Amino acid sequence: DTAVSQTPKYLVTQMGNDKSIKCEQNLGHDTMYWYKQDSKKFLKIMFSYNNKELIINETVPNRFSPKSPDKAHLNLHINSLELGDSAVYFCASSQDQGPDTEAFFGQGTRLTVV
Amino acid sequence: GENVEQHPSTLSVQEGDSAVIKCTYSDSASNYFPWYKQELGKGPQLIIDIRSNVGEKKDQRIAVTLNKTAKHFSLHITETQPEDSAVYFCAAIGSGAGSYQLTFGKGTKLSVIP
Repeated sequence: DTAVSQTPKYLVTQMGNDKSIKCEQNLGHDTMYWYKQDSKKFLKIMFSYNNKELIINETVPNRFSPKSPDKAHLNLHINSLELGDSAVYFCASSQDQGPDTEAFFGQGTRLTVV
Repeated sequence: GENVEQHPSTLSVQEGDSAVIKCTYSDSASNYFPWYKQELGKGPQLIIDIRSNVGEKKDQRIAVTLNKTAKHFSLHITETQPEDSAVYFCAAIGSGAGSYQLTFGKGTKLSVIP
C-alpha cells in the first residue's frame, strides 16, 4: 500500500489552463503539506494543513489554492497556469505539526506548462 | 525563520569509499534534523534522523552527527555502493510565525563510481 499517493504523476498543459493535483495519505496523519521542487532540485514548502485547517501559507501566488476535504486528502488547484509553474510538486504528511515529527513524501507530480 | 546550508552540491566517490555531506542551520531552537534520499523520479525518502538530545546516530552504513553548539550536522556514508547514488537533502524543523516547518538544504548529488 502506498502511504502518500499523488495523481497524476505527469501533467502537461498549456499556459492559462486550470489544473488540479490530488493527494491522499493512508497513514492516519493529521498534517499534510505541499512542496515545490524547482529545476535545481530546491524543495520549498508551499502549504501546510493540520486537521483540514491551513497552518502555513508561504509566499505563493493566490492562483494556487489548496483544498482539504478531510484530513486524509489535500488537493492543489492551480488557476491560469504560467510557464514558471513548471516544477515537480510533492505532497507529504506527518503525524502532527510538532517540532520533531517525521514527514513522508509522495512520488511527486511533474507539471510542465507549455 | 530557519535557514539550512548544505555542502557540497555534488560529490563523486569511488565505490567502497566514504562520503560526507555537511549542513549548517540558523535557528538555535531547532531540535530535529532529518536526512532524505531522493532517487531519480521518486519522492524524498527519510533515511535517518537525529534529535538534539544526542550527538550521533548510526544505522548500518549511515551515520549522522550533530553539533548543537556550532549548529551543524553531517551525514556519513561508509562503504558506498552504486545504489547510494542519489540526491541527499538535509533538513531542520524550525519555528516561524508560530508554526513548525521543515526547511531543506539545497541538496547534494552523490555519484558512486563502480
